[in-house]
Amino acid sequence: ETGVTQSPTHLIKTRGQQVTLRCSSQSGHNTVSWYQQALGQGPQFIFQYYREEENGRGNFPPRFSGLQFPNYSSELNVNALELDDSALYLCASRPTSGAHGVETQYFGPGTRLLVL
Amino acid sequence: DQQVKQNSPSLSVQEGRISILNCDYTNSMFDYFLWYKKYPAEGPTFLISISSIKDKNEDGRFTVFLNKSAKHLSLHIVPSQPGDSAVYFCAASAAFGNEKLTFGTGTRLTIIP
Repeated sequence: ETGVTQSPTHLIKTRGQQVTLRCSSQSGHNTVSWYQQALGQGPQFIFQYYREEENGRGNFPPRFSGLQFPNYSSELNVNALELDDSALYLCASRPTSGAHGVETQYFGPGTRLLVL
Repeated sequence: DQQVKQNSPSLSVQEGRISILNCDYTNSMFDYFLWYKKYPAEGPTFLISISSIKDKNEDGRFTVFLNKSAKHLSLHIVPSQPGDSAVYFCAASAAFGNEKLTFGTGTRLTIIP
């Protein structure tokens, strides 16, 4: 039990649609990161949010965007869905205060998105 | 361009024996390395890490070895237990605390009772 939950667990969308994935972190976890894990691949870093601001981004186009809220929840939004967006989307959060490294990052179970 | 590679998609080991999982990287800017374990329907969980200033880090049954000159690291699990059956990911970072982790493709470890 990591204290990080994601919803929905599974989702099917059509190419060109938009999708919002949600993540709820533990209280005090001010840093949240999102990863995309395609089938047979390792997770790929999408972006990180810290105190509601984007704080680093991987090689993903602007149609991938995010929001972080004061209640330790966050969202990943993907516009104009493409077939290659089919993947498991993981969020991970960690406390930022003190000497907390990335090892203290807890992953949620993920949302599996299928784009048809 | 796969900067972190795990060339063995799967590995089977007898219970009680040593499991050795390997990982290679190409980016010399990486200076912090982590191993994660993932069960089905769960997110990855952190196992053990190593900084580039060390060549070995041990935590119970788990030991990670780093060979910087070869850009190679390995995870040793001894003795292997059935609960160790999972997918193991190697990940690398350019700085401690940096969540921009680059993951390998994973190795599925099966422990045979």
